[in-house]
Amino acid sequence: QKEVEQNSGPLSVPEGAIASLNCTYSDRGSQSFFWYRQYSGKSPELIMSIYSNGDKEDGRFTAQLNKASQYVSLLIRDSQPSDSATYLCAVKANAGGTSYGKLTFGQGTILTVHP
Amino acid sequence: DAGVIQSPRHEVTEMGQEVTLRCKPISGHDYLFWYRQTMMRGLELLIYFNNNVPIDDSGMPEDRFSAKMPNASFSTLKIQPSEPRDSAVYFCASRLGQGAGGYTFGSGTRLTVV
Repeated sequence: QKEVEQNSGPLSVPEGAIASLNCTYSDRGSQSFFWYRQYSGKSPELIMSIYSNGDKEDGRFTAQLNKASQYVSLLIRDSQPSDSATYLCAVKANAGGTSYGKLTFGQGTILTVHP
Repeated sequence: DAGVIQSPRHEVTEMGQEVTLRCKPISGHDYLFWYRQTMMRGLELLIYFNNNVPIDDSGMPEDRFSAKMPNASFSTLKIQPSEPRDSAVYFCASRLGQGAGGYTFGSGTRLTVV
C-alpha cells in the first residue's frame, strides 16, 4: 500500500461546478496534511493545510479531514479554468521519529476545468 | 523574500558526466529538502537536512547521488556519473522549524541526460 494515495483522475469538470479531490494515507499517527497545486512546468504551491478533524475553508477551497478514516479531501467550489492543474496531497510524518518534518506526496490528480 | 532559489533551471548533459544542482533556501529556514519528480514516480524525497545536518537520506537512489549543505544558505545535489534514467525535475524546498506548516519549493531544475 502506498503511503499516500489520491484518486487517479484525470478529473474534468465544467466551469462553475464543484471539483472534489480525494486522498488517503497509511500512517495513522500523521498529524499534518496539505494540498499543493502544481501548474504544468511549475513548482508545487501550497494552497491549504489542515490539522484537525472537520472542515477548513479558504475562499473557494475547503479541505476536509477524517483521521479515523485516514482520509483527506479538497473541494473547489465555482471551479474556474484557472484552477486547471495537478493537485498534490501531502502528509507530514508523525512526530518522534527521524523522519519528522518530512512530507510524503501522493501521485497527484490532474484537474481540468472546461468553459 | 526571494524564495527558494535553484540553479540551473535546465541542464542537459551526456551520460557519464557529473551534474551539480544548487539550492539557496529562504533565509532563516532550518530545514532543506531535495525532491525528484517524474511522471512515473511522482514527487520523491531524496534527502533532507536540519541545521545543515543530513537527517534522512533513505531516498537517495544509489551511491551516484550525493548531497551537501556546507552552510545555512547553500546546498548541492551531485550526480556522478549521470545516467539517462536520472532525467527528471529536481526540486529543492525549505521550511522553518518543526511546527505546523508546509514547505516552500524552488522553481526546480529540469535535468536531461542523453
